[in-house]
Amino acid sequence: DTAVSQTPKYLVTQMGNDKSIKCEQNLGHDTMYWYKQDSKKFLKIMFSYNNKELIINETVPNRFSPKSPDKAHLNLHINSLELGDSAVYFCASRHGQGTVEQFFGPGTRLTVL
Amino acid sequence: SQQGEEDPQALSIQEGENATMNCSYKTSINNLQWYRQNSGRGLVHLILIRSNEREKHSGRLRVTLDTSKKSSSLLITASRAADTASYFCATEPSGNTPLVFGKGTRLSVIA
Repeated sequence: DTAVSQTPKYLVTQMGNDKSIKCEQNLGHDTMYWYKQDSKKFLKIMFSYNNKELIINETVPNRFSPKSPDKAHLNLHINSLELGDSAVYFCASRHGQGTVEQFFGPGTRLTVL
Repeated sequence: SQQGEEDPQALSIQEGENATMNCSYKTSINNLQWYRQNSGRGLVHLILIRSNEREKHSGRLRVTLDTSKKSSSLLITASRAADTASYFCATEPSGNTPLVFGKGTRLSVIA
């Protein structure tokens, strides 16, 4: 069974469109994250949620809005997509108490044309 | 910036050889972790070393940590073609703050 899953795996869209990426974890973890990996493989934290509450919001444009309907899901909605949004987006989760290892999803490759 | 730096950026070795990757960071940390990323996949946790530890082993992996130099190394012994991947170090500056990832080392193991 997949621990952290993301859909879609690939997303190709035009500039200006609005799109969503979904993430689900079946590990019972309390904390979930969104990361952005650019073309140079640099991985940067975007958001962190703990028990459905936003904990960390790094300097991300407000066109990006995470939504956590429950502890197992953290979706990422992006408005008015720009060329610079092209990247691979990873969802990750962590138990939160005592354990520090993060479990990553397979990634969503977003291409904005 | 708190980001770590891995060295070298790319490493190519023959199967059976040992591979050593280094990581430097800038702030004090609670722990340092190493992750592997196969092409087109998510990151997979390999090993964690806490700030009060100096060395740790897991199978063919050996990690060292020198907090005075703010550096860590990952040694993969007897490498295999399946070890071909990018390797990232990640530091946790304090509990509940996000991990700070380095830029990664691309390891190629040639059969």
